[in-house]
Amino acid sequence: DAGVTQSPTHLIKTRGQQVTLRCSPKSGHDTVSWYQQALGQGPQFIFQYYEEEERQRGNFPDRFSGHQFPNYSSELNVNALLLGDSALYLCASSLVQGGKSPLHFGNGTRLTVT
Amino acid sequence: QKEVEQDPGPLSVPEGAIVSLNCTYSNSAFQYFMWYRQYSRKGPELLMYTYSSGNKEDGRFTAQVDKSSKYISLFIRDSQPSDSATYLCAMSANYGGATNKLIFGTGTLLAVQP
Repeated sequence: DAGVTQSPTHLIKTRGQQVTLRCSPKSGHDTVSWYQQALGQGPQFIFQYYEEEERQRGNFPDRFSGHQFPNYSSELNVNALLLGDSALYLCASSLVQGGKSPLHFGNGTRLTVT
Repeated sequence: QKEVEQDPGPLSVPEGAIVSLNCTYSNSAFQYFMWYRQYSRKGPELLMYTYSSGNKEDGRFTAQVDKSSKYISLFIRDSQPSDSATYLCAMSANYGGATNKLIFGTGTLLAVQP
């Protein structure tokens, strides 16, 4: 049973560039959330997707956008990268149907902005 | 003031010790409380999940929630070197469904010395 998979594992970008991160949810899950984890900090909620729509958003600027595809996989896009965007980006999936489903996290994409 | 406060540590204990990890929070709407374990270069892994106040035990792990004091704890009995990791508390006002945004603490780094 495949867990949450994220690609790439590491990425180095330059300020001002754009980046796309990808996530495949755990088999059977239909909801994807994205979190940003800065070094030495806990994860911060970016947004959540269900049925291909953004359902909830955290305190992140519009430079952060996302998408969910019909197969439930998701992308996180960040435009006009800033040095402060350097972090571990975590994808988590869960199942809406069936009640209380815990979040399962992937191992993240480590983004470095220089 | 942060919604969730957690002592970042580091906390170093000898093998076999009882470990106590704690978080306080300010938002009385939180009803769901979780503890995640995060090894270096990995994503968070769910350890314990508790709804409302009370205790929950799973093997060597016990989670406690005191909503009146807005205080949650995780106890690890007979700690092992393999328990060395960062422990993150997380909480949510709702759980499951299409919106289940988690608020995390900063994490406590635990080292169990053999």
